[in-house]
Amino acid sequence: EIVLTQSPGTLSLSPGERATLSCRASQSVSSSYLAWYQQKPGQAPRLLIYGASSRATGIPDRFSGSGSGTDFTLTISRLEPEDFAVYYCQQYGSSPPAFTFGPGTKVDIK
Amino acid sequence: EVQLVQSGAEVKKPGESLKISCKGSGYSFTSYWIGWVRQMPGKGLEWMGIIYPGDSDTRYSPSFQGQVTISADKSISTAYLQWSSLKASDTAMYYCARIVDTAMGTHFDYWGQGTLVTVSS
Repeated sequence: EIVLTQSPGTLSLSPGERATLSCRASQSVSSSYLAWYQQKPGQAPRLLIYGASSRATGIPDRFSGSGSGTDFTLTISRLEPEDFAVYYCQQYGSSPPAFTFGPGTKVDIK
Repeated sequence: EVQLVQSGAEVKKPGESLKISCKGSGYSFTSYWIGWVRQMPGKGLEWMGIIYPGDSDTRYSPSFQGQVTISADKSISTAYLQWSSLKASDTAMYYCARIVDTAMGTHFDYWGQGTLVTVSS
């Protein structure tokens, strides 16, 4: 079973700053199967990034994903007020089918 | 427009049964897996299981196998999550989500609004 670890647990930043969020897997993950989600209070999660680096439909280009193997990164180039939220990474394993989420990183206003 | 609309909030007592629903629209319901995800109060996301409405092929997370039942009625484009005997620890928000499974990846692309289940005596 693959375990995902996200760091930091909380990231306190100001609007306009750059946010760098890390997701580390306990064993190598196919980049195709690594996704990132944003969740705001009282809302369902929203897909941001899939395939480690592809932005989902309608996601602003200030969001970018990178990485391979066991280390993946979500970068928000310049934080907008609406970006303060919790971010989860997720991986999919096919044998047997299983989805795993990381514990999340909360990005809050400094 | 792809939409997943979930049934409303529920308040139940321990030992009671419950079935919540997730109705898909705006796409071919039988052509995509649907997943269920639990979020306990103040906690993260946990995958529970998935179903392919086309043939009702179902897979469960080991953590939830035997604890819940996932089903679907493709004639009305609806997936279900049910419990036969609720426990207080089942109190959580439950989300359904469509799964896209292509060469570009496997992930949840559209989510329902969530169904809050509260179990309390």
